[in-house]
Amino acid sequence: DGGITQSPKYLFRKEGQNVTLSCEQNLNHDAMYWYRQDPGQGLRLIYYSQIVNDFQKGDIAEGYSVSREKKESFPLTVTSAQKNPTAFYLCASSNRGLAGAHDDTQYFGPGTRLTVL
Amino acid sequence: ILNVEQSPQSLHVQEGDSTNFTCSFPSSNFYALHWYRWETAKSPEALFVMTLNGDEKKKGRISATLNTKEGYSYLYIKGSQPEDSATYLCASDNYGQNFVFGPGTRLSVLP
Repeated sequence: DGGITQSPKYLFRKEGQNVTLSCEQNLNHDAMYWYRQDPGQGLRLIYYSQIVNDFQKGDIAEGYSVSREKKESFPLTVTSAQKNPTAFYLCASSNRGLAGAHDDTQYFGPGTRLTVL
Repeated sequence: ILNVEQSPQSLHVQEGDSTNFTCSFPSSNFYALHWYRWETAKSPEALFVMTLNGDEKKKGRISATLNTKEGYSYLYIKGSQPEDSATYLCASDNYGQNFVFGPGTRLSVLP
């Protein structure tokens, strides 16, 4: 089945530790995105990538890092510099690459809930 | 950062009732408005993509309208069923910007 997978579903981290969240897609999409959700707020964009080996900061990139070495994969690292990392993290992908696309719908993974102890 | 608002924040209706909620978005440099349904423990699922002023889209008992001049979209659910219970998100796609999501409307349909 085509889709987006995220792992793990739940993640616990001690303060001061870095942790990496996985996101894989087999939809052959060029663009991938990481969002963070906090209660009562809309999804906020952390990082996005429109093509392999390139990525851009979103609205709340501080304390996070990403890589895009393969088209299918866009892992997110939550570093110890992120002051309030406890949140729900969603990964998405779309056909919107550098050249643009007619269908910009984003398709989402099931999310990872990160809790810092 | 553009601002997208949704109202109400949450809504409880009885099974069989019809309901509607609102998404307000910036009308300048508008490209598209997306609606998603997000059921608990599942991924957000795309419902509609709307681009033209006056556009109306329908999927079963759910429909949506779009007013790009004043910057709002309505989502309607006719004859709500318990399986419609979810959070409904809208996202504004404006030229030169990434998607901006609203906070969502949480709908609970009581049997």
